[in-house]
Amino acid sequence: DTAVSQTPKYLVTQMGNDKSIKCEQNLGHDTMYWYKQDSKKFLKIMFSYNNKELIINETVPNRFSPKSPDKAHLNLHINSLELGDSAVYFCASSQDLDTQNTGELFFGEGSRLTVL
Amino acid sequence: AQSVTQLDSHVSVSEGTPVLLRCNYSSSYSPSLFWYVQHPNKGLQLLLKYTSAATLVKGINGFEAEFKKSETSFHLTKPSAHMSDAAEYFCVVSDPNYGGATNKLIFGTGTLLAVQP
Repeated sequence: DTAVSQTPKYLVTQMGNDKSIKCEQNLGHDTMYWYKQDSKKFLKIMFSYNNKELIINETVPNRFSPKSPDKAHLNLHINSLELGDSAVYFCASSQDLDTQNTGELFFGEGSRLTVL
Repeated sequence: AQSVTQLDSHVSVSEGTPVLLRCNYSSSYSPSLFWYVQHPNKGLQLLLKYTSAATLVKGINGFEAEFKKSETSFHLTKPSAHMSDAAEYFCVVSDPNYGGATNKLIFGTGTLLAVQP
């Protein structure tokens, strides 16, 4: 049983298209995240949600719109894709917002997006 | 602002020899520090964490790290490398004052560990 699962694993698309990545966690966690990992492996937070409420929005273009229908799901929709959006997008979850004390995020295996 | 610096982008060791991955942090507060590992085409996994308890922290797979406030360091070590240790390793600090309401993890740029037979 995969704790944090995201689909699709690979996504190749043309510039200007709209695409979505889905994420589900079966850990009963309250908090979910989207991270972007660029070609140099640098990992940066994009969004976090706690119990379906947006907590962190880290200066991400408004072409990126997260949606959390319930606390077990956090989807990422991207409009008008650009070349610079090519990256690996990781979904993660944690028990709650208190990452300082627990620090444990559970990551999915990533969704590799390639924009041509 | 909190930050971490991983001093080596690539480290290569022979199987059976010690591993040292270096990390320095910058923090205005008493930091919480972590090491995560990412195997190829996989998500990240927590190796160990320091949260102001014992300064020598033991993690999974024989890894450990020592918090040294005087040196602002949190280096990751393992006495004897295995082939399965080959992966990307990330040093991470928690920013407790992000937005005043929650915590945020700030990742270093990663160190790629290669293990030679």
